[in-house]
Amino acid sequence: GDSVTQMEGPVTLSEEAFLTINCTYTATGYPSLFWYVQYPGEGLQLLLKATKADDKGSNKGFEATYRKETTSFHLEKGSVQVSDSAVYFCALSDQAQGAQKLVFGQGTRLTINP
Amino acid sequence: DAGVTQSPTHLIKTRGQQVTLRCSPKSGHDTVSWYQQALGQGPQFIFQYYEEEERQRGNFPDRFSGHQFPNYSSELNVNALLLGDSALYLCASSRGQRNNSPLHFGNGTRLTVT
Repeated sequence: GDSVTQMEGPVTLSEEAFLTINCTYTATGYPSLFWYVQYPGEGLQLLLKATKADDKGSNKGFEATYRKETTSFHLEKGSVQVSDSAVYFCALSDQAQGAQKLVFGQGTRLTINP
Repeated sequence: DAGVTQSPTHLIKTRGQQVTLRCSPKSGHDTVSWYQQALGQGPQFIFQYYEEEERQRGNFPDRFSGHQFPNYSSELNVNALLLGDSALYLCASSRGQRNNSPLHFGNGTRLTVT
């Protein structure tokens, strides 16, 4: 079945550092890809998405490019802030089943130190 | 505009008992999905309700059941609780059943089974 693998955390960076969180996927069709963020005590919030190969999703300085050839959707940010500390989840959805049924990776906890 | 609301926020039950969790979708949304998030893991899809019927289901036993009401709110029921059912249960809502309408998540119900 479909699956998502994220780089293991936790990840600790200093403020203004460059961030990469790796995500690769396995899917039989052509999935849509998502990054969700979970702040402490809260539910998940959609950070960005891409629905087809070579699409780039971006939001709040974060970006990720849908790479079909490497089945990857790595999350990047050029200069992180303390407020970016959270757990980040990569996810996919099958086009036929819709964006409501998501397959998530295990999550990567990010801590940014001032 | 209220987002997705879940109740209760925390719950402690004993092995073998039954539990009911509740969810009110975001205004304007008609589809509700439920996810289980074990500690340190990504959310796993349980099932989705649309037009008061279960439309899609993940790999969860029949002990997990649900209901959707005419006002689009939903309940998740778990019978014969096991210690392994301890998790954060997330409700997510969207507009429409199988499309790219993004999910909006509630803050979850933390269930502890002792």
